[in-house]
Amino acid sequence: AQTVTQSQPEMSVQEAETVTLSCTYDTSENNYYLFWYKQPPSRQMILVIRQEAYKQQNATENRFSVNFQKAAKSFSLKISDSQLGDTAMYFCAFMKLASGTYKYIFGTGTRLKVLA
Amino acid sequence: GAGVSQSPRYKVAKRGQDVALRCDPISGHVSLFWYQQALGQGPEFLTYFQNEAQLDKSGLPSDRFFAERPEGSVSTLKIQRTQQEDSAVYLCASSQLGGLGYEQYFGPGTRLTVT
Repeated sequence: AQTVTQSQPEMSVQEAETVTLSCTYDTSENNYYLFWYKQPPSRQMILVIRQEAYKQQNATENRFSVNFQKAAKSFSLKISDSQLGDTAMYFCAFMKLASGTYKYIFGTGTRLKVLA
Repeated sequence: GAGVSQSPRYKVAKRGQDVALRCDPISGHVSLFWYQQALGQGPEFLTYFQNEAQLDKSGLPSDRFFAERPEGSVSTLKIQRTQQEDSAVYLCASSQLGGLGYEQYFGPGTRLTVT
């Protein structure tokens, strides 16, 4: 069974600084997707960034980028130029491509606080 | 268009009562998921629908939990004889089948408190 581990329950960063959130996963699959989702306080979960396992190039979305190390099964999220609006819970999620279901396996989350 | 909506947003039930939680997915989305999120935890998968077919219900914790999507759009998650351990936020998500890199769009959730 797949598992996703986020070893940092809480982190804080000064506004405009850079922070990296870690995520490791365990799978025997070769074809899968990885995601980072953001859940602001009392608001809906939204996608931050996705990575297809077959792509070697790390995904980037504006201030958000990932460091995907397939052999090490590591998928960290880097947030550059942190903004107060980045304060949220961040969840790493794994999805395998298999017929019949497309469920996510989530980690336990990292609570990020951006300090003014 | 509108995003995923869920109702009610908050539900308080006495232990032993039955509850029904509703999810309105994004129009045209084939896939619909239910997740349970306990306080301070990540969401845990409950069940998955593709149109009206329930293709995966491996995450439903007991036979007290039942989900349906009879016309392939709105879905209802029903919990019978609620227990205190059922207290959680129940999230619904919808997705185009395989579209846009399998992104799931989440609703705001229903916070269920069983007293």
